[in-house]
This record gives sequence, structure tokens and C-alpha cells, in this order.
Amino acid sequence: NAGVTQTPKFQVLKTGQSMTLQCAQDMNHNSMYWYRQDPGMGLRLIYYSASEGTTDKGEVPNGYNVSRLNKREFSLRLESAAPSQTSVYFCASSGATLSGNTIYFGEGSWLTVV
Amino acid sequence: GQQLNQSPQSMFIQEGEDVSMNCTSSSIFNTWLWYKQEPGEGPVLLIALYKAGELTSNGRLTAQFGITRKDSFLNISASIPSDVGIYFCAGQRRGTYKYIFGTGTRLKVLA
Repeated sequence: NAGVTQTPKFQVLKTGQSMTLQCAQDMNHNSMYWYRQDPGMGLRLIYYSASEGTTDKGEVPNGYNVSRLNKREFSLRLESAAPSQTSVYFCASSGATLSGNTIYFGEGSWLTVV
Repeated sequence: GQQLNQSPQSMFIQEGEDVSMNCTSSSIFNTWLWYKQEPGEGPVLLIALYKAGELTSNGRLTAQFGITRKDSFLNISASIPSDVGIYFCAGQRRGTYKYIFGTGTRLKVLA
């Protein structure tokens, strides 16, 4: 009953450090997403991958890179972390049901950049 | 980026009361989704709607896909303390991979 699994749960980085957030889904979904959630801002899309082998920018892609490693895994990399990237990050995957599409979220990764 | 207009932003209610919240958009959607998020957790899917006018229940929760396809409603009946959390709506337009999210309704239930 894993669904969408993301690691790490918590991370503290120093400004300028790099790190990768890992995400895997076991629902055989084609599409995967990375969002950030900040107080009062709702969920903002960073990058998404409509299908294996493709990635596209969302509304706040600056400072991030992504890799769709295979159908299951979609990672988010911060090359040089900045305090403005302090946020909660959610990975999600989307697939079709008999009725239509649905998106499911991981439990979140709390990132603090000092 | 685009966000859905979700109201109210917050609600303080007494246990046992019914709750109503809604989301509106300037665009037509073919999918409306409702989520609940508790502190320290990710959003959890409550109800999915795929047809205009559709009314779907999940226990004490009932959601409707608006006839105009530009809005959706969530009702919670006989609220209990564990209903506390943030409720989000999300919409998806036909032929796109992106989902648009509301800014959330923060619900607090007073016992």
C-alpha cells in the first residue's frame, strides 16, 4: 500500500549545497510531478513528467532540475540551494481510472536552507 | 500561475455542524478533485468528480461537479474533531497533464 514514496522526510542544507529528493510510485502511473508548498501560496508546480522520457517546466522551475529515471522514479535536484527554496516538497503521480484521471501525493519532504 | 478561487479561506465551527466550501474557476474543467491535508502530511484524496452535475459521497462528505464545469462544492455533514485540516480542490482541463489547485480551506472544529 505504498503509493507515492519520497525521501528524505526532513533535510537541512547550507546555502550553496546540493541535494536530490527521490520519489517513486508503485501505481504504474505515466505522469509524475514535483510541487512545493509554502504558507499562503498553495501548491505550485515545479516540474512534471507526462510520461517516461519527458520532462517539462511548471510555474516555478528556477533553481531545480529533474530526472525521470524510469516509469517509477522521478527525482528533483537542487544544484545550489538558496534560502528561498526552504519549503515543503511534494511528489505526486497521476494515472487514469475507469472514470478519469486522479493525482496522488507523497507524504512530503521538509527542506530548510540556512 | 493559475490557482482556483477557494472559499472560505478558514472556518471555525462547532462539532456537529455542517460545513460547505467551494472552488470556482474562469476555465472549464473535466475533472474536479477534493483533498484533505493534515499537519505534517501530504494531501489525501477524498472525492473525484468527472461529469458535470455529478454528486458523489464518501461517508459524511459529499462533493458536486458544477453544471457550468467551472465550479465544485464540498459539504461535510455533522462535523467531528478529526475533520480538522486543510481541504483543497483541484481541477484538470481536458487534454492537459497539469492540475490546478485551490489555496485551501482551513477547518477547525470546536468540541
